[in-house]
Amino acid sequence: AQTIHQWPVAEIKAVGSPLSLGCTIKGKSSPNLYWYWQATGGTLQQLFYSITVGQVESVVQLNLSASRPKDDQFILSTEKLLLSHSGFYLCAWSPLGDSQNTLYFGAGTRLSVL
Amino acid sequence: GDSVTQKEGLVTLTEGLPVMLNCTYQTIYSNAFLFWYVHYLNESPRLLLKSSTDNKRTEHQGFHATLHKSSSSFHLQKSSAQLSDSALYYCALRNSGGSNAKLTFGKGTKLSVKS
Repeated sequence: AQTIHQWPVAEIKAVGSPLSLGCTIKGKSSPNLYWYWQATGGTLQQLFYSITVGQVESVVQLNLSASRPKDDQFILSTEKLLLSHSGFYLCAWSPLGDSQNTLYFGAGTRLSVL
Repeated sequence: GDSVTQKEGLVTLTEGLPVMLNCTYQTIYSNAFLFWYVHYLNESPRLLLKSSTDNKRTEHQGFHATLHKSSSSFHLQKSSAQLSDSALYYCALRNSGGSNAKLTFGKGTKLSVKS
């Protein structure tokens, strides 16, 4: 069975500090990977997607970056956090070749930037 | 661009009453895929229903929805609400095919079922 693990569960960070959020998917080879973000009171927005190792496409510009160093790993990061980065971050995957792109989500990371 | 509207931010119901969560969408694509995701507290959001067939009812776990392209709607319904249905429900639209297909989500409707 496929499992998706996100870390950390929650973070409280200072403005200007760096951030790294991670996501691993086990039990599925070559999944499509996604980062989603939800500001408080807002809707889920897709930030990045990746269809293969080393290849990441940006969907929304939020002064964040993403990388896929391994087939089963997706990292979201920034060198300098902004207050506007606060919110709920979700990693998701969809099976390779799934034309309907059903998403399977991780448990999420709640980020508070102070 | 594409958009999904869920007018109700919060729906509060008494157990046993019918559930109706509204979802309308806008897209330039004729071949729209619509989804309902449910997010229970302390769990990951997960797929509840999906459809791309016009006027065909799709059902899962007691919930059902019918995609009506003429009215651009995909309302979620259930005949009798249960306490365990309390959760956040997202309607979502897929705007194109392929691996880079982007899901556009509505703001979500929080369903609170009380005894």
